Amino acid sequence: EDKVVQSPLSLVVHEGDTVTLNCSYEVTNFRSLLWYKQEKKAPTFLFMLTSSGIEKKSGRLSSILDKKELSSILNITATQTGDSAIYLCAVGRSDKLIFGTGTRLQVFP
Amino acid sequence: SQTIHQWPATLVQPVGSPLSLECTVEGTSNPNLYWYRQAAGRGLQLLFYSVGIGQISSEVPQNLSASRPQDRQFILSSKKLLLSDSSFYLCAWSPAGGAGYTFGSGTRLTVV
Repeated sequence: EDKVVQSPLSLVVHEGDTVTLNCSYEVTNFRSLLWYKQEKKAPTFLFMLTSSGIEKKSGRLSSILDKKELSSILNITATQTGDSAIYLCAVGRSDKLIFGTGTRLQVFP
Repeated sequence: SQTIHQWPATLVQPVGSPLSLECTVEGTSNPNLYWYRQAAGRGLQLLFYSVGIGQISSEVPQNLSASRPQDRQFILSSKKLLLSDSSFYLCAWSPAGGAGYTFGSGTRLTVV
């Protein structure tokens, strides 16, 4: 059975801290791994990773995929209160997207 | 450009009443369409997906059904709602082949 596991389930940090969120998967017909940020409503897209070892960056956020280890990490440096959200990892097959349970990040001033 | 519309944004329904949530996509053809459900503070659970008109795959047995009467229309239904159907429902689409997913704005359903 396909599964995507995220850790930790929740994380509480102070502004300025650096955080690393983990995602591991066991999915047949892997096509891509995606990271989303969800605040109030619909998830918003962060990154899509298809190749192992190539880091993608957007401002203070970065992510990398390790196909050998079947995992990915999402790093957020110099966290801000606006980073507080649920971060979702999902693995894309050709027919569907399978989500992990998410990591709830809370950043306090 | 492609857009996805999902409505209503919020819905309060009594137990035993029917449900119909609609999702439409514009600006593309033959999209893959998805219905997800999300419990509070949790990840997204895939309920149904469709790769073409009339083709529906169900991921979990439940009190819900889905239909795709037109290429860019995906409907989530129930004949009789249960209290446990209260949740946040999200529609999504991707191009055929699955590269890139876009979500609708979601429907918060409360069954009372």
